[in-house]
Amino acid sequence: AQSVAQPEDQVNVAEGNPLTVKCTYSVSGNPYLFWYVQYPNRGLQFLLKYITGDNLVKGSYGFEAEFNKSQTSFHLKKPSALVSDSALYFCAVRDIDDYKLSFGAGTTVTVRA
Amino acid sequence: DADVTQTPRNRITKTGKRIMLECSQTKGHDRMYWYRQDPGLGLRLIYYSFDVKDINKGEISDGYSVSRQAQAKFSLSLESAIPNQTALYFCATSDPGTKETQYFGPGTRLLVL
Repeated sequence: AQSVAQPEDQVNVAEGNPLTVKCTYSVSGNPYLFWYVQYPNRGLQFLLKYITGDNLVKGSYGFEAEFNKSQTSFHLKKPSALVSDSALYFCAVRDIDDYKLSFGAGTTVTVRA
Repeated sequence: DADVTQTPRNRITKTGKRIMLECSQTKGHDRMYWYRQDPGLGLRLIYYSFDVKDINKGEISDGYSVSRQAQAKFSLSLESAIPNQTALYFCATSDPGTKETQYFGPGTRLLVL
């Protein structure tokens, strides 16, 4: 079985400050990890993924995420948040031997001007 | 993602009615998925299809059925809608070449009265 936990329902930061959205996962084998963002009244947009290789993954809109196998975490980060980053963020995982994604419950990010 | 379209975008129906949600994609992907999104629960997989002859149940398939009419089309039906099927429904596609990164449509907001 595979699962994802996003421990924070909401994250609030000031514009220009660093943004971190936390994600931990559980899989029986090796993980493929993904981050998606959902803007109001829109579908999910792919941000970045970890498949193999460098633990630090860079994605769209200045976001990056760090894979930590020992802590089974894949936290999303942005050095300097923008008001336009306000959205709902989902972490997802799948085992490399499976095709199905398991999603976390989502974290609502609010960036205040 | 404009390559994955869903119709209708919004739908209001009454308990007991049969409705169909449609998904079309121009990405050329073989794999297609239907999810529902409920607040605080993330996305849950309803059905998935790896090609036109391969359809599989997801974690919450009861009360739903699907049809894969062609590689590019995957429809979700609610045979007899009930109020707890009120949700946001997403279609997604993926491809082995991108390590199964899933690309989502804009969603259909369904209200069952």
